[in-house]
Amino acid sequence: EAAVTQSPRNKVAVTGGKVTLSCNQTNNHNNMYWYRQDTGHGLRLIHYSYGAGSTEKGDIPDGYKASRPSQENFSLILELATPSQTSVYFCASGDHSSALYFGAGTRLSVL
Amino acid sequence: GQQVQQSPASLVLQEGENAELQCNFSTSLNSMQWFYQRPGGSLVSLFYNPSGTKHSGRLTSTTVIKERRSSLHISSSQTTDSGTYLCALEAPLSFGKGAKLTVSP
Repeated sequence: EAAVTQSPRNKVAVTGGKVTLSCNQTNNHNNMYWYRQDTGHGLRLIHYSYGAGSTEKGDIPDGYKASRPSQENFSLILELATPSQTSVYFCASGDHSSALYFGAGTRLSVL
Repeated sequence: GQQVQQSPASLVLQEGENAELQCNFSTSLNSMQWFYQRPGGSLVSLFYNPSGTKHSGRLTSTTVIKERRSSLHISSSQTTDSGTYLCALEAPLSFGKGAKLTVSP
């Protein structure tokens, strides 16, 4: 079973502060994804990556940056956090035309 | 982007009843996946099913590519089946909004 680990699990941040959400996967998957989940919107894709050094914009990239320094790690960065970014964030990994595996999620509150 | 429509949005059953959940896609699909999510929990993959029918215990997934639809059938529902079921289309996945299932004892 693929292992996807997110940290932190919970985070409280102040408006205007910088937040970094981390994701680590141990199954050597090429593709990694960041989603946010909000009531009424379901899961929405923020950024994704096809391999180390690459990042792509998803459906709602504004206000977020991503970094893929290695095959295993994919970070989501909020340079200037805003209350509208309060949400639950999920990281996932997988390969093309194969199942996707999700982390446990990070609950972020921006005050 | 790709559009994924799930139905019904919510479903309430008595334990032992069957459930049928549907996903319809606006574009041709290459792969799709069904997930289960408990309230406040992560997503667990139930089926990766780009075409045809797959079974896992009381669960059956059927994907018909030409008709751009996929279904998830839960037989003899149990209270532990309660939660949200989501379908998603080819990565980077486009998700439906989910179907909330409540099974009462």
